[in-house]
Amino acid sequence: KAGVTQTPRYLIKTRGQQVTLSCSPISGHRSVSWYQQTPGQGLQFLFEYFSETQRNKGNFPGRFSGRQFSNSRSEMNVSTLELGDSALYLCASSLAEGGEETQYFGPGTRLLVL
Amino acid sequence: AQSVTQLGSHVSVSEGALVLLRCNYSSSVPPYLFWYVQYPNQGLQLLLKYTTGATLVKGINGFEAEFKKSETSFHLTKPSAHMSDAAEYFCAVTMLTFGGGTRLMVKP
Repeated sequence: KAGVTQTPRYLIKTRGQQVTLSCSPISGHRSVSWYQQTPGQGLQFLFEYFSETQRNKGNFPGRFSGRQFSNSRSEMNVSTLELGDSALYLCASSLAEGGEETQYFGPGTRLLVL
Repeated sequence: AQSVTQLGSHVSVSEGALVLLRCNYSSSVPPYLFWYVQYPNQGLQLLLKYTTGATLVKGINGFEAEFKKSETSFHLTKPSAHMSDAAEYFCAVTMLTFGGGTRLMVKP
């Protein structure tokens, strides 16, 4: 079975621009979660989608948004990029929603904001 | 509210020595606890998890962890370190809260 894939793997943007990241979950998985990883803040939960509905949301500003499509693929969007948005963005999928579910992580998208 | 504290951002052991990575959590409900490993330029990989039942959990690559409710701890151990164990390790409570990570270095 193919793992979680994320595209693109690397991205360079400038302040003020917007960016869209994509995540394809493992086949059959219906839950997709997004995380931001930075050296200073560590791993922080952004949001979780299940069956095209946002189920949980972390403490991030409204510039960060996401969606999930009927095939479970997910995108996250960051508008009006700031230097502090430079990070590794990780996507994870699981069979179902719920805190006990095992998540499978993709390799991440490394975003650099100049 | 939930929180996770990993004691020691860096741990160094010799090859063949015991690995002990510490994790303490705070949770107002019975916790689901996870340990993940991250190798450079890769995503996280699940080592083991505790949901209910047996408090000693065995994972992949020879790692295990014991859930101790009275101590609110979920420390990760491996009897004998291997060079390939060098990586960053994260403890988590459910999917929402991760510890700050512990970088494990293994000396030859």
